[in-house]
Amino acid sequence: RKEVEQDPGPFNVPEGATVAFNCTYSNSASQSFFWYRQDCRKEPKLLMSVYSSGNEDGRFTAQLNRASQYISLLIRDSKLSDSATYLCAVILNTGGFKTIFGAGTRLFVKA
Amino acid sequence: DGGITQSPKYLFRKEGQNVTLSCEQNLNHDAMYWYRQDPGQGLRLIYYSQIVNDFQKGDIAEGYSVSREKKESFPLTVTSAQKNPTAFYLCASIRTGNLSGYTFGSGTRLTVV
Repeated sequence: RKEVEQDPGPFNVPEGATVAFNCTYSNSASQSFFWYRQDCRKEPKLLMSVYSSGNEDGRFTAQLNRASQYISLLIRDSKLSDSATYLCAVILNTGGFKTIFGAGTRLFVKA
Repeated sequence: DGGITQSPKYLFRKEGQNVTLSCEQNLNHDAMYWYRQDPGQGLRLIYYSQIVNDFQKGDIAEGYSVSREKKESFPLTVTSAQKNPTAFYLCASIRTGNLSGYTFGSGTRLTVV
């Protein structure tokens, strides 16, 4: 089993739709959680950190469920420009800090 | 503006050739990382360095080498021992002890010809 797993998609949604992605992690030593956005043939860029109490940044909401070991990303009122691959990342504290990335979920927002 | 610069953007390697990918940062970050990304896969850690003159192997270090002689620079050499080097290589940095996300360079796309 991979340490961090994501549904690869693609998710095809119309503009204005609400879409949610989950990311599951297997290591209980996971300490910090992030969502990155990666456009085609570009580097990942940090979208948002995920806090225990959940957090929101405009149309984006991130949540953490430690009991079930997953994080989620909700995008409301999808825009064409939201089309990208969304990577989750988990920092493990195993004596040192190590970041594990998921393989990403592809999102296509269509007019 | 501070950031990470990777060069070249595209690199073509012949069979049996060693090539070096450059990564320079002016963010005053302590830790630097090299990842490899293959289509449909997540980022896999090649090497990382927490401080100058020290570095550790990641999950797929075989066929690669690095150096960290300066805080700002963390070059990656893809040696002829790496049998399948065609991939997208990403350099990243973070301030040690800061559990925020990485800053990535724009990547180098390496192709074997």
